[in-house]
Amino acid sequence: GAGVSQTPSNKVTEKGKYVELRCDPISGHTALYWYRQSLGQGPEFLIYFQGTGAADDSGLPNDRFFAVRPEGSVSTLKIQRTERGDSAVYLCASSLKVSASTDTQYFGPGTRLTVL
Amino acid sequence: KQEVTQIPAALSVPEGENLVLNCSFTDSAIYNLQWFRQDPGKGLTSLLLIQSSQREQTSGRLNASLDKSSGRSTLYIAASQPGDSATYLCAVTRLGGGSEKLVFGKGTKLTVNP
Repeated sequence: GAGVSQTPSNKVTEKGKYVELRCDPISGHTALYWYRQSLGQGPEFLIYFQGTGAADDSGLPNDRFFAVRPEGSVSTLKIQRTERGDSAVYLCASSLKVSASTDTQYFGPGTRLTVL
Repeated sequence: KQEVTQIPAALSVPEGENLVLNCSFTDSAIYNLQWFRQDPGKGLTSLLLIQSSQREQTSGRLNASLDKSSGRSTLYIAASQPGDSATYLCAVTRLGGGSEKLVFGKGTKLTVNP
């Protein structure tokens, strides 16, 4: 079966532009997470969806960042007025969320965003 | 605030050596602890998950232990191989809050030399 897929794999944009990053989770996974990984750092949590709703968006750094999951499957992370500090690898993960203690998140390959 | 620390940041060993990677966390209120592997340009692959009530988990040449009271975990790799070269990340899932988001350390970059 297919794993988590993310598109594009690489995105280069100019400061001030708008970008959209897409995540296709594993079919049937109700939970979807976005993380951001800067060079030399571990991934940092951005937002969590359970179904269509954002259950926890406490990791979004500011209001330039927004994410949607309108039909409970594919999710899009949207970044407005990009800044050079937004450059990072954006990772998406999904899980079945049957049990919190045994839940395993499956990660996609990430989108490398570079803001010039 | 939960903080996860991994030591060492980088490790280089000859093939065949047994090795230990260390992870510590500041808040013992966790659901579980996971070890992930990350290869360059690729996503994370879950290696082992230890529930908070468990002490260790084993998979092949990998053994992970958890001491929740002291906030420590170790990942033991036996008879290392060049194919084990990767960055190993430790992450904990915090109790409560509902999102079960992962809090990661910065990782240990392992190089196994043939």
